[in-house]
Order: sequence, then structure tokens, then C-alpha cells
Amino acid sequence: EAQVTQNPRYLITVTGKKLTVTCSQNMNHEYMSWYRQDPGLGLRQIYYSMNVEVTDKGDVPEGYKVSRKEKRNFPLILESPSPNQTSLYFCASTTLSSSSSDTGELFFGEGSRLTVL
Amino acid sequence: DAKTTQPNSMESNEEEPVHLPCNHSTISGTDYIHWYRQLPSQGPEYVIHGLTSNVNNRMASLAIAEDRKSSTLILHRATLRDAAVYYCILIRPGTYKYIFGTGTRLKVLA
Repeated sequence: EAQVTQNPRYLITVTGKKLTVTCSQNMNHEYMSWYRQDPGLGLRQIYYSMNVEVTDKGDVPEGYKVSRKEKRNFPLILESPSPNQTSLYFCASTTLSSSSSDTGELFFGEGSRLTVL
Repeated sequence: DAKTTQPNSMESNEEEPVHLPCNHSTISGTDYIHWYRQLPSQGPEYVIHGLTSNVNNRMASLAIAEDRKSSTLILHRATLRDAAVYYCILIRPGTYKYIFGTGTRLKVLA
């Protein structure tokens, strides 16, 4: 089954304790992205990656790091989490269509709810 | 990046058609119009997308204005399971900036 898998689904941590949220997809997608979702603010893009070793900032990258060492994985790293990073996080992926004249549908994971105390 | 504007919320009766509008007056010629929906406690899921012509699939229909400055997602017969937040976004091939706004929260009344 085609899917995007995030772990953990729920996490409560404390300020300053480094954590990593993993994201893995089994569809051989080149493009992967992280979003955070907060009440009233919708989905905001944190980082995205067009392929292995290629990453770029989205709209709200501050306080986050990412890496793309393998095509299937795109972990989100919070080096020193703070309470304002309490949020619902989504990972998504899509293929970079062989046809440059079309755009692919995004596949989303089920979300990771993070609470930073 | 071109932006979209959607109503914050809409209501519909079960079994009736629903027309969800989206304005995108700054759309460029190559931007695709995508629609996603987010059911409660789930990640967003793809619904439909198009460029110029109207599109149909098993989930919905997408009607695109002739000048492309607006589009409408049509659910032909709303069910309680269609209650969700619906997002209209513009995607330019090659940029892959999938920028979501706050969407339209659809409430379906039994």
C-alpha cells in the first residue's frame, strides 16, 4: 500500500531536548515536504526537498533542520525545541512528474502531534 | 506566489450538491489548480486538479472559469463523510511550492 509514515504520532517533550520526527515514503517520490498546522493558521510549509541531498526552506523554517540522505526518508529535527513549536506536523511527498507540464498530487502522512513543555 | 481566497466556512444539507468557491485572481498561465481536503484527525488528501478545462473524477468535479481567476469544487451529493476542510492551492510546475491557506470548513447537515 502506498503510504507516508510518520513517527512518533504523539510526543510530549521538554524545552531544549533534541528530538527527531521521522518520515518515510514507499512510493519512490523525489519530492518530500514538512508542514506544521496550527489553529487559525492553516498548513505552513517548513522545509522541502526535491531529491537526495537537495533541501530548501519553506515559509517557517526557523528552529528546524532537515536532511535527505536517502530518497525514502526525510526526518525533521528540532535541535532545541521551544513551546512555540507545539503543533501538529505533517510530512508529504509527491513525484516530480516526468512531464514538466503537469503537477503531482501530494500524499500526506497521518500527522505527528508534538507538545513542548 | 499566487494566492487563493476561500470562504472560511460553508454548510450543506446531506444528499445535496455543494459548490465550494475559490478565487485566484493572480493566477499565472502555467499554474495548476489543486484541491485537497482534510478530514477530522487526518492528513490532507488529494481531491482533484486541473489547468484550464473542467475535470471530473470519482470524488468530485472541478469547474474552472474561462479567465481562470476562479474555480469551484463540486461535490455532487454531499454525505456526512464529506465534512472536512477543503483547500484550494495553486501549483506552478517546476517550483513545487505547495502553499496551503486556511481553507473552507464544510459542515454537512443530516
